[in-house]
Amino acid sequence: EIVLTQSPATLSLSPGERATLSCRASQSVSSYLAWYQQKPGQAPRLLIYDASKRATGIPARFSGSGSGTDFTLTISSLEPEDFAVYYCHQRSNWPRTFGQGTKLDIK
Amino acid sequence: EVQLVDSGGDLVQPGGSLRLSCAASGFAFSSFAMSWVRQAPGKGLEWVSAISGGGTSTYHADSVQGRLTVSRDNSKNTLYLQMSSLRVDDTAVYYCAKGGWNTPYEYWGQGTLVTVSS
Repeated sequence: EIVLTQSPATLSLSPGERATLSCRASQSVSSYLAWYQQKPGQAPRLLIYDASKRATGIPARFSGSGSGTDFTLTISSLEPEDFAVYYCHQRSNWPRTFGQGTKLDIK
Repeated sequence: EVQLVDSGGDLVQPGGSLRLSCAASGFAFSSFAMSWVRQAPGKGLEWVSAISGGGTSTYHADSVQGRLTVSRDNSKNTLYLQMSSLRVDDTAVYYCAKGGWNTPYEYWGQGTLVTVSS
């Protein structure tokens, strides 16, 4: 099973700041890495897939990078609605796995 | 517009059974793999199972193998999760999601809560 480790567990920033979230895989997942955003009481929402492709309707301030085992989600300038929990997910191997999540909260 | 509507969640005793449903609309259901993902209260996301578009191939997490079984009825545009021998640690919100085989989870249902407790 591929283990995805996200860091940091919690990130405290202010609106307008840049956020950098990390996801490290225990073995290569090629580019089959996605990022999801989840707000309280809501289903997750797809942000980035195949490491760097923005999903439909996702603002340009969200970007993804990386391949193999190291991946980054960057939010260039935080908006109030961006404070949420973010999960990475791999679809390279079975079983599919998620990272444990990074909570982005307001400083 | 793609819609996924999860239903069937309930309070059930340990060892009991339940069947979850996910009604899909707005896309060619039989052409896409579907998946179940769950989230225990206050915890992260956990992949549960996936099924190919035709329904001939399935995968399940080790934690649910032999107890939870994914299936689909393409004539009804509906995905199912048959749950048996339920345990307390199966308590979670269960989400169906479009994709998960060769594509990411592009769309999600609203989730349905399964509570396993005596």
